[in-house]
Amino acid sequence: QKEVEQDPGPLSVPEGAIVSLNCTYSNSAFQYFMWYRQYSRKGPELLMYTYSSGNKEDGRFTAQVDKSSKYISLFIRDSQPSDSATYLCAFLVAGGYNKLIFGAGTRLAVHP
Amino acid sequence: KAGVTQTPRYLIKTRGQQVTLSCSPISGHRSVSWYQQTPGQGLQFLFEYFSETQRNKGNFPGRFSGRQFSNSRSEMNVSTLELGDSALYLCASSSTSQGGIQYFGAGTRLSVL
Repeated sequence: QKEVEQDPGPLSVPEGAIVSLNCTYSNSAFQYFMWYRQYSRKGPELLMYTYSSGNKEDGRFTAQVDKSSKYISLFIRDSQPSDSATYLCAFLVAGGYNKLIFGAGTRLAVHP
Repeated sequence: KAGVTQTPRYLIKTRGQQVTLSCSPISGHRSVSWYQQTPGQGLQFLFEYFSETQRNKGNFPGRFSGRQFSNSRSEMNVSTLELGDSALYLCASSSTSQGGIQYFGAGTRLSVL
């Protein structure tokens, strides 16, 4: 079983839609949960960072963590064509010397 | 504040050659991590350096090595290149005060022919 499972998509939605991106994980030692966005030919850009179960909101983005189910989600409200990118979930073990474990990434296309 | 800078952006090498990639972290960041990104394997951790010491290493052969200088700049080296080493190599830096948040550079795209 992989440590992290993420549906690679691609996911295609119309502008204005609510997007839900998900990852499951198996390592109980993961204590930090992140979402990165990566545009084509660019490096990953941190979107959301949390270390506790529950929801964290930042503008149109909401990150949700359920440690008991080992499941994290990213919701994008009022999606825009500029949101078209690959979204990567990432995990970090506390004291793990910055070794991020990434999901495979979900490609999202938002069409006008 | 300038971001993470990686040079060069693109490289073309042939099998058997060696290559050195460079990374300048965000000013004040002492940790530098390296990752390999390929379509098949995704983003995989190579190694991490902090204050010139390698603290963690991923599951890559010994042909992949790195080092960090006293100014926190880092280099990674790949010797005896193989076709499968073609990838985007990403460098990320972080600060101890930010609990593991890593900021990535744009990467170096290496093509091995």
